[in-house]
Order: sequence, then C-alpha cells, then structure tokens
Amino acid sequence: DAGVTQSPTHLIKTRGQQVTLRCSPKSGHDTVSWYQQALGQGPQFIFQYYEEEERQRGNFPDRFSGHQFPNYSSELNVNALLLGDSALYLCASSLMQRGARFFGPGTRLTVL
Amino acid sequence: KNEVEQSPQNLTAQEGEFITINCSYSVGISALHWLQQHPGGGIVSLFMLSSGKKKHGRLIATINIQEKHSSLHITASHPRDSAVYICAVRQGGSEKLVFGKGTKLTVNP
Repeated sequence: DAGVTQSPTHLIKTRGQQVTLRCSPKSGHDTVSWYQQALGQGPQFIFQYYEEEERQRGNFPDRFSGHQFPNYSSELNVNALLLGDSALYLCASSLMQRGARFFGPGTRLTVL
Repeated sequence: KNEVEQSPQNLTAQEGEFITINCSYSVGISALHWLQQHPGGGIVSLFMLSSGKKKHGRLIATINIQEKHSSLHITASHPRDSAVYICAVRQGGSEKLVFGKGTKLTVNP
C-alpha cells in the first residue's frame, strides 16, 4: 500500500516563473491538504481539496491555486514566484472528517 | 501570540533519559496531532488525540482538554529519536491543521 507520494523532490525556479507540484494520496484517502513550511518554521496551511473542490483556504494569495483530479491526486500551482516562496511544500491526505493525516515527503522549492 | 505554542524550542538529552515536550493551544479543538519530522523534511504522524492518553512503544501522548495542554513523552530516549517534534491542532468544525513551530530534540549517545 503506497503512502502519500509527491513530485518532484526538489525544484529550482527563478522569480516570476510558475511551478506545479504534484501529490498522490494514500490509497483509500479522498482529501488532500497542502502546507508550506519555511525554514525553521512550522507548516502553514495553504488549502484543502475534497471532491475536486477547494474546501478550505489559509492565508495565501491567489497566486497559489490548486486542483484535485477524479483519482484524488492533486496539484499545487504557484504563479509569479517570489523569493519568499522558497520552502518545503508538504501534502497530506486523509479521509474527510476522519482527521488522521498522512504526510508526503515534501517538495523543496528554491526560488532564485 | 501563536495559537499553538510548544516548549522547549530545543532540547538536548543523553541516551536513556526521559523526554517531555509540551504543547499549549488557545483555540477549541476537535483533535491534536503529534508529528515527527526528520532532517530532509518528511513528516510522520505519531498520534492523533482528542482526549486522554495514547501509547505506542516508547512514546506516550497525553491531552488535557480543559487546560488546553498536551504532552509528548519519550521513555528511554535513543539517538534515533533525534528529530523535530511538532504539535498540530484541528480546530472544531474545520479540517485545517494549525501547527506549532516544533521542538528540536537531539539525543546524544
């Protein structure tokens, strides 16, 4: 049973570019949440997807958008990258309302 | 003031010592998570609590809902326990997790 997988593992972009990060949830899970973790900080909630819709959103600008596919996998898109977007991006899956979170290994994004 | 506060921020122990990490929160919650993050970033979920106490191997987690406080204990600590331990709460009626900043634990042999 595969756990949560994320791709790519590492990514280097320059300011102004756009990036897409991908997440496949743990088998049987239908909900995907995305988090941004800056160096030395705890993760910050970006948004959550369930039934292909954004259900909740944290305090992130519209440059951050996402999508969930019928197979429950999800993408995080960030447009017009800023230096401050450099962080570890974590994906977590769960069953709606169940709460038990399973985290992926993360994608480390560096913006130069 | 952060909604989730952890203490201490950093903790160094000798192998075999009993470790306690504390988490206090200021909001109503439906569940509290203890997570472990190793260098490189991967997060492992250790416990999810809504009341009482849970034990898994050398790890014990307790929560006091009235006092809005939780503790994570590690018995007979080992160098492989070295990691960042993060407390996260799920607010009532929400699926969003709010995270503490983490406690960096170093266990020396």
